[in-house]
Amino acid sequence: DIQMTQSPSSLSASVGDRVTITCRASQSISNNLNWYQQTPGRAPKVLVYAASTLQSGVPSRFSGSGSGPEFTLTISSLQPDDFATYFCQQSYSTPYTFGQGTKLEI
Amino acid sequence: QVELVESGGGVVQPGRSLRLSCTTSGFTFSSFGMHWVRQAPGKGPEWLAVIWYDGSKKDYADSVKGRFTISRDNSKNTVHLQMTSLRADDTAFYYCVRPMAVAGSAFKFYFDSWGPGTLVTVSS
Repeated sequence: DIQMTQSPSSLSASVGDRVTITCRASQSISNNLNWYQQTPGRAPKVLVYAASTLQSGVPSRFSGSGSGPEFTLTISSLQPDDFATYFCQQSYSTPYTFGQGTKLEI
Repeated sequence: QVELVESGGGVVQPGRSLRLSCTTSGFTFSSFGMHWVRQAPGKGPEWLAVIWYDGSKKDYADSVKGRFTISRDNSKNTVHLQMTSLRADDTAFYYCVRPMAVAGSAFKFYFDSWGPGTLVTVSS
């Protein structure tokens, strides 16, 4: 199985800050990497797919980069709605594993 | 718009069975493979199973292989997850998820639509 390791597991930041979350795959996955945002009590929502393509409707302050095995999600200027938990997920091969999550806190 | 709604969750004793259903609308169900993903409280999501658009192929995570069975009814736009021999560590929210192919790629995809989830609690 491909292991997905996110860092950090939690992050404290302020509105307006620039933050970067890293995800490392245990083997090459090309750009088969997706990022999701989850708020309490809700299902995850896709932000970025294929490592760097912004999902329609997602604010441009979110961006993704990288190719197997290391990827990053960057939020250029944190807004109040961005305080949530973020997961990476590889879609290269089954089982389609997720990272353990990064909780972004104020 | 695309809608997925899971049902069938609840409290069940260890060793017992439960069947989850996901009713969908707003898209051509028979053209999409479908997945089940679960998430234990405070943990990251865990992919469980996929079924091809026509039901011809299925794949499972090792943690549920031999215990869970995914199926679909394209006439009712519904996908199911039959769960047997349930254990305490199967306690989680269970999500029905639709994948979306990346434009220009035959194999790349992402999970673009999720149901609200149904909670399964395995406890005596």
